Amino acid sequence: DTGVSQNPRHKITKRGQNVTFRCDPISEHNRLYWYRQTLGQGPEFLTYFQNEAQLEKSRLLSDRFSAERPKGSFSTLEIQRTEQGDSAMYLCASSSPRGHETQYFGPGTRLLVL
Amino acid sequence: AQTVTQSQPEMSVQEAETVTLSCTYDTSENNYYLFWYKQPPSRQMILVIRQEAYKQQNATENRFSVNFQKAAKSFSLKISDSQLGDTAMYFCAFMKPSTSGTYKYIFGTGTRLKVLA
Repeated sequence: DTGVSQNPRHKITKRGQNVTFRCDPISEHNRLYWYRQTLGQGPEFLTYFQNEAQLEKSRLLSDRFSAERPKGSFSTLEIQRTEQGDSAMYLCASSSPRGHETQYFGPGTRLLVL
Repeated sequence: AQTVTQSQPEMSVQEAETVTLSCTYDTSENNYYLFWYKQPPSRQMILVIRQEAYKQQNATENRFSVNFQKAAKSFSLKISDSQLGDTAMYFCAFMKPSTSGTYKYIFGTGTRLKVLA
């Protein structure tokens, strides 16, 4: 059990560029969540996958955001045409089918849009 | 909509002392879960303790315990014998199972705890 991993850990980009983040959940976890955390705030829910199906998306997830989990294992979060307001920490979490109430978080990807 | 409020942005405590972090929440649900997560500087969030709303007994995990007052919608975290490694941001989180199967968390704004040597 190596825990939830996220790559890259840091990303600096210019406004208007596209960025993609990856999350690898704990191997047997079928549930995967993305959250966004801005400075001084708690994490806010973005989207949820059960296996490969995206079952819920927050209204925070604008049309510029897309998330996938093609084989029910790793997930990617893409932001198109980045804006300065997208600067935040993007957290991924996963949970087990047997203990789905408890989520295990990755270290996050810190995005800075210049 | 559910909300979670942590009214103490920052707190400090002397090593070996006891500190209590406050959390209140608002919900009309009867079945839900509450959590405390710890986020050390530049490190990932880890679960400290969790409480099922249907359980009247307060959860404990070693030096960490909660005071769960369901009627008052209060969920405070007590850290006993504070250690330097307890220095971190602490988040209170609420979760209720939904019909779609989503178990998303709603977090408070966090309390930054500093343990002083």
